[in-house]
Amino acid sequence: GENVEQHPSTLSVQEGDSAVIKCTYSDSASNYFPWYKQELGKGPQLIIDIRSNVGEKKDQRIAVTLNKTAKHFSLHITETQPEDSAVYFCAASMGSARQLTFGSGTQLTVLP
Amino acid sequence: DVKVTQSSRYLVKRTGEKVFLECVQDMDHENMFWYRQDPGLGLRLIYFSYDVKMKEKGDIPEGYSVSREKKERFSLILESASTNQTSMYLCASSTLAGAGETQYFGPGTRLLVL
Repeated sequence: GENVEQHPSTLSVQEGDSAVIKCTYSDSASNYFPWYKQELGKGPQLIIDIRSNVGEKKDQRIAVTLNKTAKHFSLHITETQPEDSAVYFCAASMGSARQLTFGSGTQLTVLP
Repeated sequence: DVKVTQSSRYLVKRTGEKVFLECVQDMDHENMFWYRQDPGLGLRLIYFSYDVKMKEKGDIPEGYSVSREKKERFSLILESASTNQTSMYLCASSTLAGAGETQYFGPGTRLLVL
């Protein structure tokens, strides 16, 4: 089955700096890569996703890049703010599969 | 506003007890999922269901069972709770289409088995 590895497990940045979280996946058939944000006491919520026919996608301060050849994808957050502090999960899904395989999560802390 | 609700936020049970975790969604979604979340391990899929009375095993089904008698409700059952089932349990739902559909999560149930 699919295996998704996520790094780093913790990340601290100064407010206003950029943050990058990286994930690799094992199954070349995977074609959908979402990122979820989990705030304290809440369930994860989708923040951005990318499909295998696209190399990059942006939504305001967040962007995701995908390198299919290397089988890795990354989340980029620019101009970080305290409200960006949360746990971030990457995930992968393939073909017609309805289920996602999640990475182990990254605790992002934005320091004021 | 989409909503997935879970019956309890916190639950304390004794070893050997039968435990029921309930999840209800109001979005008329076909797919429902149960995950457990542990530090350093991310979210791991226990079971999922793509239709009423249908279920499929996820990555870690041992020690768990599920029930889906109505479209909006998906229950996770621990037949005989053990201490290694102490964890955060998350329910999610999504529409029928294949890969690429957003999963909507409930707030989670933190289960402690003593």
